[in-house]
Amino acid sequence: NAGVTQTPKFQVLKTGQSMTLQCAQDMNHNSMYWYRQDPGMGLRLIYYSASEGTTDKGEVPNGYNVSRLNKREFSLRLESAAPSQTSVYFCASRSGSRETQYFGPGTRLLVL
Amino acid sequence: KQEVTQIPAALSVPEGENLVLNCSFTDSAIYNLQWFRQDPGKGLTSLLLIQSSQREQTSGRLNASLDKSSGRSTLYIAASQPGDSATYLCAVIGTAGNKLTFGGGTRVLVKP
Repeated sequence: NAGVTQTPKFQVLKTGQSMTLQCAQDMNHNSMYWYRQDPGMGLRLIYYSASEGTTDKGEVPNGYNVSRLNKREFSLRLESAAPSQTSVYFCASRSGSRETQYFGPGTRLLVL
Repeated sequence: KQEVTQIPAALSVPEGENLVLNCSFTDSAIYNLQWFRQDPGKGLTSLLLIQSSQREQTSGRLNASLDKSSGRSTLYIAASQPGDSATYLCAVIGTAGNKLTFGGGTRVLVKP
């Protein structure tokens, strides 16, 4: 039982390049989330998926797109990376609103 | 809009002393409150989840209380150890939605 896994662990991009961050969970959870964590700003929700087939914007969705590929996988795409998107990205999952949320180890992204 | 505040932002104590970490939230309409631990460069690990109907939760040396009416939660760590050094975050989920709102965290250093 691996929990929540994320790939890659670290990535360097040039401004304007695109990439997809992958997330998978093996806990059969309904809800999945993408956050970014920045010094002084805390954890901010980018997008979430309450259940397979649905996605919704969070607090800071601009510049990102998501895909809930199936119940296990939730990907985050940067179409044209900007230096302001340099951050640590965390994926999380939860079975229901009253349940514990579990986090992945994070992806460190540097946009030059 | 829900706001979550953690004071102090940083705390340093000698080994063996009890730790008291505070979390306050502005909207008392919550499903639950969750405490996390984050080690440098790592993801978030869930410590305790308190449902809105509960007053406290305990796990080993950790005890978390919840006073929903006053919008406060306190995390107590008994007999602190250097291994307790980390950042501790609290987060609440409101009854209006599916999303966690995080506090800024308290960075704890336990000195041997």
